[in-house]
Amino acid sequence: AQSVTQPDIHITVSEGASLELRCNYSYGATPYLFWYVQSPGQGLQLLLKYFSGDTLVQGIKGFEAEFKRSQSSFNLRKPSVHWSDAAEYFCAVGARGAQKLVFGQGTRLTINP
Amino acid sequence: DADVTQTPRNRITKTGKRIMLECSQTKGHDRMYWYRQDPGLGLRLIYYSFDVKDINKGEISDGYSVSRQAQAKFSLSLESAIPNQTALYFCATSDSSRDGKETQYFGPGTRLLVL
Repeated sequence: AQSVTQPDIHITVSEGASLELRCNYSYGATPYLFWYVQSPGQGLQLLLKYFSGDTLVQGIKGFEAEFKRSQSSFNLRKPSVHWSDAAEYFCAVGARGAQKLVFGQGTRLTINP
Repeated sequence: DADVTQTPRNRITKTGKRIMLECSQTKGHDRMYWYRQDPGLGLRLIYYSFDVKDINKGEISDGYSVSRQAQAKFSLSLESAIPNQTALYFCATSDSSRDGKETQYFGPGTRLLVL
């Protein structure tokens, strides 16, 4: 069965600082991996996804993530955060067909001015 | 995403009441999903539907039922609401593809409070 762990429940960074949100997954086959963002009072917006190919994927809003099979990780990064990045971030893993996405617990990001 | 709409956006109900949450999509996708979100637990799958005649239970289907009235509409019902069903409910859609590389797109959510 698939599982996802986001080790950090809450992270605080200063505006302009770099960001890395961790995601570790457990899945027996090649995973399909996703990062979603939930802004306060909003639904989930897709940031980026990995299906195959280049292990470094670019997403919207200046985010990127790197798939590392050896570490079972798909960490999300941004070189310089903006106050508008304050939100909750969810990592999810799916199988071929994506009919059963399994989500991590989420990481809440706070930005200090 | 305006392509996936959920009604109502907020709802307060009492224990024992029947309630229906509705989801509509204009993306033309054939697959639809219902999730609930609880603090610290992420999202968990309640039911999913691959087409109008194909409905499947998810991880936490007890206490819920669904209806796929048309390709674009997928409703979630709580037959007799209880307080631990207080949560944020999300509908999602995806388009089936031969290579299996599907992405789910989410609605804005319905916040439900059961008193």
